[in-house]
Amino acid sequence: DIQMTQSPSSLSASVGERVTITCRASQGISNYLAWYQQKPGKRPKLLIYAASTLQSGVPPRFSASGSGTDFTLTVSSLQPEDVATYYCQAYISAPLTFGQGTRLEIK
Amino acid sequence: QVQLVESGGGVVQPGRSLRLSCAASGFTFNNYGMHWVRQVPGKGLEWVAIIWYDGSKKYYADSVKGRFTISRDNSNNRLYLELISLRAEDTAVYYCAKDGSSGYDFGMHVWGQGTTVTVSS
Repeated sequence: DIQMTQSPSSLSASVGERVTITCRASQGISNYLAWYQQKPGKRPKLLIYAASTLQSGVPPRFSASGSGTDFTLTVSSLQPEDVATYYCQAYISAPLTFGQGTRLEIK
Repeated sequence: QVQLVESGGGVVQPGRSLRLSCAASGFTFNNYGMHWVRQVPGKGLEWVAIIWYDGSKKYYADSVKGRFTISRDNSNNRLYLELISLRAEDTAVYYCAKDGSSGYDFGMHVWGQGTTVTVSS
């Protein structure tokens, strides 16, 4: 099974700051990677699929890149509404696996 | 609009069974793969199962294989998850989610609000 490792586990940054979260797969997954945002008490929301494709309606301050085993999610200018936990997920083969999550807070 | 509404959660004793349901609307249900994902309160997301658009393929997490069964009724736009031999560690919020493809090729594009399963004596 593929293991997904996110770093950091938590992150605190100032409004307007650029933030980057990384996700590493235990084996190559091409671009079969998605990123989700889950705000406190809410359902998860798809941000990015196919490693770098922004889901419709997601603000363009979110971007992502990567292929193979190393991936990044970037928020170009952190906003208060971005406080959430972010998860990467590999979907190249079953069982599908999520990273452990990165909690993003405002400093 | 695209909507997924789960139901069927509740409090159940260890070893007992439960069936979760997910009502889909706002899209052509029989074109898309459907997932179940669970989340222990305060913890991360755990993928549970996927069923292909036509029900032809099903895959499960190792933690539920042999105990949970995913199924769908395309004529009534419903997804199901049958849970048997429930354990305390199955306590979680269970979400249904719509894939962006007929299988699992594009990530989980839409999520329901979740239904809570509590396994306790």
